Amino acid sequence: GAGVSQSPSNKVTEKGKDVELRCDPISGHTALYWYRQRLGQGLEFLIYFQGNSAPDKSGLPSDRFSAERTGESVSTLTIQRTQQEDSAVYLCASSFKTGVTDTQYFGPGTRLTVL
Amino acid sequence: AQSVSQHNHHVILSEAASLELGCNYSYGGTVNLFWYVQYPGQHLQLLLKYFSGDPLVKGIKGFEAEFIKSKFSFNLRKPSVQWSDTAEYFCAVNARDQGGKLIFGQGTELSVKP
Repeated sequence: GAGVSQSPSNKVTEKGKDVELRCDPISGHTALYWYRQRLGQGLEFLIYFQGNSAPDKSGLPSDRFSAERTGESVSTLTIQRTQQEDSAVYLCASSFKTGVTDTQYFGPGTRLTVL
Repeated sequence: AQSVSQHNHHVILSEAASLELGCNYSYGGTVNLFWYVQYPGQHLQLLLKYFSGDPLVKGIKGFEAEFIKSKFSFNLRKPSVQWSDTAEYFCAVNARDQGGKLIFGQGTELSVKP
């Protein structure tokens, strides 16, 4: 079946603008995760959803970052008033549930460049 | 706070050489351990994982990793690398009492010369 998809694949924006990044998880996956990868660094956890609730938002860097999820489907990560340090690849992953044995499947990512 | 350390940032090997990539984590509780791989131009994909049982786990493409609890380590090995193993490798840890989030190391770029 189809994997995790993300859109857009690339986004260039000006400092101060708002951006929305979209993630479509694998059908039937109840858990959804957002990560960020800055150049030359590993992935940083941002937030995860179980269904449409977010039990752990601890990785969101500031109140400019927010995310929502509609049911057990699409999620949107919104960054308001973007800053240059927000430039990164934003990765989404989904898993069947958040049980300890569930593998996370990653999407291709959205490369965000803030000028 | 949990952290994951990968000791090698860039490794260059010739084909048929043996590979070992180091990974250490800091967390006192029970963990699940993963190695992910990202081939050029592709998505991040799971290479292997450890949840419980035999500490020596085997993954795809001839890779294996050994969990040594006393050393907080989960090193990745392959006896003989191929050019097609050129990729970036990420070690990740999940603390079982903290939901499903993964904490990743910085990654190791592996270049295999034909």
